[in-house]
Amino acid sequence: DTGVSQDPRHKITKRGQNVTFRCDPISEHNRLYWYRQTLGQGPEFLTYFQNEAQLEKSRLLSDRFSAERPKGSFSTLEIQRTEQGDSAMYLCASSSELGSGELFFGEGSRLTVL
Amino acid sequence: AQSVSQHNHHVILSEAASLELGCNYSYGGTVNLFWYVQYPGQHLQLLLKYFSGDPLVKGIKGFEAEFIKSKFSFNLRKPSVQWSDTAEYFCAVNLGGGYNKLIFGAGTRLAVHP
Repeated sequence: DTGVSQDPRHKITKRGQNVTFRCDPISEHNRLYWYRQTLGQGPEFLTYFQNEAQLEKSRLLSDRFSAERPKGSFSTLEIQRTEQGDSAMYLCASSSELGSGELFFGEGSRLTVL
Repeated sequence: AQSVSQHNHHVILSEAASLELGCNYSYGGTVNLFWYVQYPGQHLQLLLKYFSGDPLVKGIKGFEAEFIKSKFSFNLRKPSVQWSDTAEYFCAVNLGGGYNKLIFGAGTRLAVHP
């Protein structure tokens, strides 16, 4: 399967713990996006990378959130000192620079903070 | 701020009924428009997109959407739904800027009964 893959698919943690999610985009895509989706809502943009450069961060991304894409391939999203309000599905997507405009999404990492 | 509104949060239809899901966006400039679908347990997939040209676009599985610029709308239609169309449907807008950042609506959950 050459789609976007995310790991882990599910994470249950206690409030105050740190969690990290990994995203492996489609190999030829240089653009990578993180979104967050809560129940009853559509995906909300969090951040965007072009290669290894993080070019935009939403104000939704508080200072407890950090995302990296160190070699322009896979990306990680870390949440420090998790809060119950962080419970959500974290979606990763990738796209190529030659714009069809289509984002290819992974299946998401579901976070539950107890 | 730019936003996308989907008017129907839940729609229940019988097989063979016609479908129309509403989508309006608030942005005065040039936009690219998308409908994504999420089948139960699967990742978001592109259903169709509009960039320019014919405002009536056709997508996969018999879906189509019409862009009406004067109404800031991009409604999704299908003349005869099937049980397999049961899914959540998201309208999304790309405001350009060269990197495909999408703003999503809250989604419409469609249930089709045999």
